[in-house]
Amino acid sequence: QVQLVESGGGVVQPGGSLRLSCAASGFVFSKYAMHWVRQAPGKGLEWVALTSYDGINNHYADSVKGRFTISRDNSKDTLFLQMNSLRPDDTALYFCVGSTVVTPYFDSWGQGTLVIVSS
Amino acid sequence: DIQLTQSPSFLSASVGDRVTITCRASQEISSYLAWYQQKPGHAPKLLIYTASLLQSGVPSRFRGSGFGTVFTLTINSLQPEDFATYYCQQLNSYPRTFGQGTKLEIK
Repeated sequence: QVQLVESGGGVVQPGGSLRLSCAASGFVFSKYAMHWVRQAPGKGLEWVALTSYDGINNHYADSVKGRFTISRDNSKDTLFLQMNSLRPDDTALYFCVGSTVVTPYFDSWGQGTLVIVSS
Repeated sequence: DIQLTQSPSFLSASVGDRVTITCRASQEISSYLAWYQQKPGHAPKLLIYTASLLQSGVPSRFRGSGFGTVFTLTINSLQPEDFATYYCQQLNSYPRTFGQGTKLEIK
């Protein structure tokens, strides 16, 4: 079955960088758009970014535009989120999400990786 | 950006009750709306897509309806496992905004 496993989270100082990864399995990764969604502690869901099936078309939330970059390696079934100029309000659980069955809806979710931005 | 406003934000109900959550969009979004359920410590789970279609494996007591700017999620005969937080999401345009969530608690 579909499995999405995030990694790369941790504690980073304000202004620092972090690269998240999401290893996908159980479906043909190269055929589907992928997203990152985040959830600050005790708060709601916030969509962060999308990459198209081929990595050519990307969209970002205004809150991360110019600081975060979404990308994918279809040869390794892996999704990435490069996060630069991190701020305390970027602290959140970051979910890797796929639209693998009911396109374009978010039908497959990883368990998330926690990013804490703090000095 | 399209804003989604859910009401109520908190809901207290008993097992066996029927509850309704409303999601209002700031602009027309046709039927491009989904509902998700999230339990503490877990990732969200897709319940309803295209406003009214039940995701595979989701019990039939969950029902979605609406079009345009007003949508509802109804849960008939609440079960203990239904107590969770529910989010609506629009997929009509970017950014893919979520509602603020409705926490359904046991009375």
